[in-house]
Amino acid sequence: GENVEQHPSTLSVQEGDSAVIKCTYSDSASNYFPWYKQELGKGPQLIIDIRSNVGEKKDQRIAVTLNKTAKHFSLHITETQPEDSAVYFCAASGAYGNNRLAFGKGNQVVVIP
Amino acid sequence: DGGITQSPKYLFRKEGQNVTLSCEQNLNHDAMYWYRQDPGQGLRLIYYSQIVNDFQKGDIAEGYSVSREKKESFPLTVTSAQKNPTAFYLCASSARDYQETQYFGPGTRLLVL
Repeated sequence: GENVEQHPSTLSVQEGDSAVIKCTYSDSASNYFPWYKQELGKGPQLIIDIRSNVGEKKDQRIAVTLNKTAKHFSLHITETQPEDSAVYFCAASGAYGNNRLAFGKGNQVVVIP
Repeated sequence: DGGITQSPKYLFRKEGQNVTLSCEQNLNHDAMYWYRQDPGQGLRLIYYSQIVNDFQKGDIAEGYSVSREKKESFPLTVTSAQKNPTAFYLCASSARDYQETQYFGPGTRLLVL
């Protein structure tokens, strides 16, 4: 099955700087890649997703890039704010058969005011 | 107010006891999921259901059971066979399948007395 890994496990950034989290996946057939944000004690919430037919997607301060050849995708947060502090999970899913959503272990992002 | 709800927020289980976690959604979604989250770990799939009266085992189904008698409800029972039940349990739903946004509930934290 699909195996998703995230790096780094913890990331501290100064407020206003950019944060980048990278995920690698193992199954070249995977074609759906969402990113979730989880605040303490709450359920994860989708912040952005990308499908394999595009290389980049942006939504205000958040962007995701996908490199299918290298099998990795990254989350970019620009102009970080204290409310961006959370755990971020990446995931990957294929289109056929029993291809459930495989999650990475999460990245703790801390934005220092 | 559309969404997905879980109850209770905290649940305590005694040795040998079965406990049931509630999950309800009013999003008219076909698919529902149960995940287990342990500290520093990603989300691991316990069970999922893509249609009423049908459900499939996920990666860690042993010691758990589910039912899907109504489209809006997907309760999870943690049986006495689950020897290490302490975790944060998350329920999610999506319109049809893994290729679509999964909306998560607020979670239930299960503790063993």
